[in-house]
Amino acid sequence: DAKTTQPNSMESNEEEPVHLPCNHSTISGTDYIHWYRQLPSQGPEYVIHGLTSNVNNRMASLAIAEDRKSSTLILHRATLRDAAVYYCIPLTGTSYGKLTFGQGTILTVHP
Amino acid sequence: EAGVAQSPRYKIIEKRQSVAFWCNPISGHATLYWYQQILGQGPKLLIQFQNNGVVDDSQLPKDRFSAERLKGVDSTLKIQPAKLEDSAVYLCASSPQGNQPQHFGDGTRLSIL
Repeated sequence: DAKTTQPNSMESNEEEPVHLPCNHSTISGTDYIHWYRQLPSQGPEYVIHGLTSNVNNRMASLAIAEDRKSSTLILHRATLRDAAVYYCIPLTGTSYGKLTFGQGTILTVHP
Repeated sequence: EAGVAQSPRYKIIEKRQSVAFWCNPISGHATLYWYQQILGQGPKLLIQFQNNGVVDDSQLPKDRFSAERLKGVDSTLKIQPAKLEDSAVYLCASSPQGNQPQHFGDGTRLSIL
């Protein structure tokens, strides 16, 4: 499995954009980059995933570096409900969907 | 769409007792996962089913943990006998097929006294 590095914690103010970085320098060419988040006392929640080009959905945007060794999850306007632990997870095609969670980034959103 | 249902929400037992957790995945999802999440850590996969067959149970402590998914729908995870280090949240997830986004339940929080 590809190793990931994320900051332990980040802080943001409500209604401001948040950029959550992830380094995955050992990622293979066919690994998709998945992001999940976990709100307090809840199970993880899928956010977004991508392979090479940038991706957008109703929750967030995913910017993937050209060399694919890093990616950034972008929350365009943080809300208090976005306070959670964010996990960046490379997913190999042969893993049959097995998610290997790291420590993640704890995001605190201030009102 | 109803989400992944898990029960019980909380369970407290003494060490060496047995315990079982139940999971009802999203209707039509072929793949079911059980994860263990120890306080302060990310979830760790214990076992993965594709329909009613096991795809990966390499991290399941088979001397005390067992899981089944009869008829390829509901699943149960059992611990017998429990140890203090089994205190954790047990999460169930499902997806239409492997490698597709997973939907998680809210888990069962197990405390061992």
